Amino acid sequence: KQEVTQIPAALSVPEGENLVLNCSFTDSAIYNLQWFRQDPGKGLTSLLLIQSSQREQTSGRLNASLDKSSGRSTLYIAASQPGDSATYLCATISTDSWGKLQFGAGTQVVVTP
Amino acid sequence: GAVVSQHPSWVICKSGTSVKIECRSLDFQATTMFWYRQFPKQSLMLMATSNEGSKATYEQGVEKDKFLINHASLTLSTLTVTSAHPEDSSFYICSAPDGAGVEKLFFGSGTQLSVL
Repeated sequence: KQEVTQIPAALSVPEGENLVLNCSFTDSAIYNLQWFRQDPGKGLTSLLLIQSSQREQTSGRLNASLDKSSGRSTLYIAASQPGDSATYLCATISTDSWGKLQFGAGTQVVVTP
Repeated sequence: GAVVSQHPSWVICKSGTSVKIECRSLDFQATTMFWYRQFPKQSLMLMATSNEGSKATYEQGVEKDKFLINHASLTLSTLTVTSAHPEDSSFYICSAPDGAGVEKLFFGSGTQLSVL
């Protein structure tokens, strides 16, 4: 069974610093890996989706890498802003579990002005 | 773009009552709907998968008689928490792919359930 772990559980940085969020997974037979943002009491916003054949994806200040062989993904957020404060979740879809996301517990990020 | 509308956003109910949560797909047909729940400080966990016109598939440990799922149309799936108890208090959220692939999953805005 796939297990997804996110480290650290919480992170606080001053505005302007770069953020590095880590995600590891135990089963490399994934279809894709996604990073989401979750604001308190709200739904999920999809940030980046990396297919199993890809090494990275970029969108604006966000960059996510994927290393299937080592079971790791990293989300980089450049020049953090207070508006980036949220919980960031990574999730995988395994090749034998169509559409079923396996989530990590998330990293709670606080960016202080 | 495709949207999944989830209602209510939050609900407070007394122990023993039933609560219905609705997820509607707007501008697309959701033949499949995934239902997740999230306890405080924990990760989102898949509860069940509903398919239009057929019985839902429940994950291990999820009571199908307590969490009734109905997916009677291509645009509406409902989750009913029957005889809710305080331990059912959680954040419930639905998700649907908009086509044959799973590259794009659309999420509802979630429902925060508090059972007194």
